[in-house]
Amino acid sequence: EAGVAQSPRYKIIEKRQSVAFWCNPISGHATLYWYQQILGQGPKLLIQFQNNGVVDDSQLPKDRFSAERLKGVDSTLKIQPAKLEDSAVYLCASRGGNQETQYFGPGTRLLVL
Amino acid sequence: AQTVTQSQPEMSVQEAETVTLSCTYDTSENNYYLFWYKQPPSRQMILVIRQEAYKQQNATENRFSVNFQKAAKSFSLKISDSQLGDTAMYFCASHSGGGADGLTFGKGTHLIIQP
Repeated sequence: EAGVAQSPRYKIIEKRQSVAFWCNPISGHATLYWYQQILGQGPKLLIQFQNNGVVDDSQLPKDRFSAERLKGVDSTLKIQPAKLEDSAVYLCASRGGNQETQYFGPGTRLLVL
Repeated sequence: AQTVTQSQPEMSVQEAETVTLSCTYDTSENNYYLFWYKQPPSRQMILVIRQEAYKQQNATENRFSVNFQKAAKSFSLKISDSQLGDTAMYFCASHSGGGADGLTFGKGTHLIIQP
C-alpha cells in the first residue's frame, strides 16, 4: 500500500513570495490533515478535511494560508505572502474511515529568507 | 482545548536498557485517544502505540508499552531492550473522539540510544 505522498520535499523562497505544497493521501482515506512543525516543536494542526469539506480550520492563519481538496482526494496548501516565521516542515496526514491512526507523509521543508 | 506536556527534552540510554518517556495531558472530554509517535531523523512520523481512554488495560506493542493513569492524566511510554534504531524524536499526542480529531502534540523528547 502506497503511503502519503508530498511534494516538493524542500522549498526555499524569499519573504512575501507565494508557495504551494501538494499532498496525495493513502488511497481511500477520506480524512486529510495539514500540520505545521516549527523546528524544536511538535506539529500543530492547520486544517482537517473530510472528503472535500473542511472539518476544522480554527488554527489556520487565513489571512495568508489557504487549502483546498476539491475532488476529495489530493490537497494543496498555499501560503501567500510568506513570512519568515512560516519556515517550518509542513506535514500531511490521512486517516481511513474505520481507523484512529493518522498516517503521515515525509513532509515539505520550507525555508523563508 | 487539549494540551499535551512532555517534560523531558532529551534522554540518553545505553543499548538494551529500558527507558520511560513521560507525558501528561489535559482534556475535558470523556472520550479521547492517546498516541505515541516516533519521528526518526528522516522526519517521517510513525505511530508507535495507541490507547483509547475508555480502555483500562494498558496498550502494548512488542517492546513498547504504556502506563496509562487516567485520573492523573498521565501517559508514559516504556521501551524495553532499547535498540539503536529507537533513536528518534518521540511525540505524545491526543485527540478527542468525534469528527474534529486533529492531533494535539507535545513538544517531543529526543531519545538517544548509545551503543
